Amino acid sequence: GAVVSQHPSRVICKSGTSVKIECRSLDFQATTMFWYRQFPKQSLMLMATSNEGSKATYEQGVEKDKFLINHASLTLSTLTVTSAHPEDSSFYICSARGTGVGQPQHFGDGTRLSIL
Amino acid sequence: AQSVAQPEDQVNVAEGNPLTVKCTYSVSGNPYLFWYVQYPNRGLQFLLKYITGDNLVKGSYGFEAEFNKSQTSFHLKKPSALVSDSALYFCAVRDGSTSYGKLTFGQGTILTVHP
Repeated sequence: GAVVSQHPSRVICKSGTSVKIECRSLDFQATTMFWYRQFPKQSLMLMATSNEGSKATYEQGVEKDKFLINHASLTLSTLTVTSAHPEDSSFYICSARGTGVGQPQHFGDGTRLSIL
Repeated sequence: AQSVAQPEDQVNVAEGNPLTVKCTYSVSGNPYLFWYVQYPNRGLQFLLKYITGDNLVKGSYGFEAEFNKSQTSFHLKKPSALVSDSALYFCAVRDGSTSYGKLTFGQGTILTVHP
C-alpha cells in the first residue's frame, strides 16, 4: 500500500528555534500534499495544501511566514516552523495524494512538536 | 461548503459483537467518502472509500461501510469487533466534482472494544 514517511517523529526545542519537518511519499508520486495540525482529542485542522512546483495555499488564519512549506518534488514536502514559540507546540501530520480519480490521502505518522 | 457529522463521541462494544460508527455528510458535488483510523500518537490509516458503484464497500481489517445517498450517510461497520479495533475513527468527505477538492473530517469517534 501507499506509504508516507514523516520525520522527525518528535522534536523538543527551545523557543525561537526553527524546526523543519519532512514528508515523503515512498512508493507513489504525490501531486498534492497537505499539512495538518491536530490538538489533543480533536480532529485535524488543515493548515495548507501544496502542489508540486507551486506555492502552497494556506487556510485562513494560518501564517504563511510562520509555517513555510516547500514541495520541491513529487515525493517530498517540508514544513518549517520558523521562530517557534510554546503556542506552536502541537501534533503536525502530513498527507499525500497521488494522481487518479478518487485517490485517498495517505498520512504520515505525525510529528509531536514541543517548544519549551 | 461541505461538512461531516459523527454524532457519537464514543462507542463502546463488547468483543465479538458487531460495531457501527455513524457518519453523515453534506457536500454540493459528488461525494467521495473515506474512513480513517488513528491510533495514539500516530497518523491516520486509510480504511476504505466510496467513490462510485456498489453502495457497500469493503475495506481493511474486516471493516465495511454502506453509502446511503438518501440519508447522506456512510456508517462504518464490522460484524465482529476485536479489542485491537479500539482507536479513534474519522469519517471524511471530499467533493469529487473538482480535482482539487479538500478533505473535510468529522470530529472523530472513539471506539472502545471491551474484552
